Amino acid sequence: RKEVEQDPGPFNVPEGATVAFNCTYSNSASQSFFWYRQDCRKEPKLLMSVYSSGNEDGRFTAQLNRASQYISLLIRDSKLSDSATYLCVVVGSNYKLTFGKGTLLTVNP
Amino acid sequence: EPEVTQTPSHQVTQMGQEVILRCVPISNHLYFYWYRQILGQKVEFLVSFYNNEISEKSEIFDDQFSVERPDGSNFTLKIRSTKLEDSAMYFCASSEAQGTSVGFGPGTRLLVL
Repeated sequence: RKEVEQDPGPFNVPEGATVAFNCTYSNSASQSFFWYRQDCRKEPKLLMSVYSSGNEDGRFTAQLNRASQYISLLIRDSKLSDSATYLCVVVGSNYKLTFGKGTLLTVNP
Repeated sequence: EPEVTQTPSHQVTQMGQEVILRCVPISNHLYFYWYRQILGQKVEFLVSFYNNEISEKSEIFDDQFSVERPDGSNFTLKIRSTKLEDSAMYFCASSEAQGTSVGFGPGTRLLVL
């Protein structure tokens, strides 16, 4: 099992759609979890942290299931500006960030 | 909002040459990192640095690579005897503490010819 595995994508959705990204991780001792977004040829930028209780930030909702070693990101009412690659990031017991390969989202007008 | 800065934004070098990539982490951050991303591939961890020493490094970070914090603000990555496969985007990053979210610089695009 890969350390961090994401939906391969790409996802193409119309404006206003709801889209969900899934991620699994292999190290059960992982400590922290994040979603980053990366625009083409730019640096990754923190979108949100992921907490066990689940957390929401506007149109974005992140969920963590430690038992299943599964993380999700839900985007509601998607905007053109949401087009980017979404990166699942897991922090291991050695505090090293491990990135998934990312899922490309394109929101179409 | 404070940001990580990196110079140069682009670097072209000949195979076998040495390059130094420079970074200024966010001023109150204590942990510094280098990551790289080969075109079309995922972001890969290279090294973490804390209290003036390497705290963790990946298998990619071999003797060809070294890091240094020469003064109170800069954090550098040196790549000796560059190879074609070193061509990538190199991101510097920093964080306040271990395990917290990491802020990335805009990257240096390195092309080895």
